[in-house]
Amino acid sequence: EAQVTQNPRYLITVTGKKLTVTCSQNMNHEYMSWYRQDPGLGLRQIYYSMNVEVTDKGDVPEGYKVSRKEKRNFPLILESPSPNQTSLYFCASGLAGESTDTQYFGPGTRLTVL
Amino acid sequence: DQQVKQNSPSLSVQEGRISILNCDYTNSMFDYFLWYKKYPAEGPTFLISISSIKDKNEDGRFTVFLNKSAKHLSLHIVPSQPGDSAVYFCAANSAREGSNYKLTFGKGTLLTVNP
Repeated sequence: EAQVTQNPRYLITVTGKKLTVTCSQNMNHEYMSWYRQDPGLGLRQIYYSMNVEVTDKGDVPEGYKVSRKEKRNFPLILESPSPNQTSLYFCASGLAGESTDTQYFGPGTRLTVL
Repeated sequence: DQQVKQNSPSLSVQEGRISILNCDYTNSMFDYFLWYKKYPAEGPTFLISISSIKDKNEDGRFTVFLNKSAKHLSLHIVPSQPGDSAVYFCAANSAREGSNYKLTFGKGTLLTVNP
């Protein structure tokens, strides 16, 4: 089954404790992206990657890091999480060179930073 | 500064009637627009899109209209069904700025279709 998976789905952590949210896709997509969804703010793009070893900032990259060492994986790293990073996070993937309507979203990771 | 605006947080319609969801944008460089649908506890799914070279795109019960001069687009759902109840996000990007994939989303509109 073609899908985007995220782990963990739920995470409660404390300020300053480094964490990684993994994202993996099995569709051989070049493009991957991370978004956060907050009440009253909608979806905001954090980082995206057009291919292995190619990443770019979205609208809200501060406090986050990403890496794209393999095509299928695009982990989101919070080196020192803070409470304002409490949010619902979505990973997405798609084929490069096509319009963005071919993006497939994962089920989401709900992160709480205390 | 919000570049994609959905000014109605929620909309309630009767089953069988038309649902009209609105979206405004401020960035004149946007040239591709999309609507995504999101159910609770799931990721967004693509619904319909429109390029700036068109003013209308239809897909079954869903039609998107684009008014470039007004920087406004709308999604029409006819007839509305209870299963259409979800949050609808408007999104835009600019291929001209060199990035097909830097999507800017609106805040979303919660559509409730009552049986």
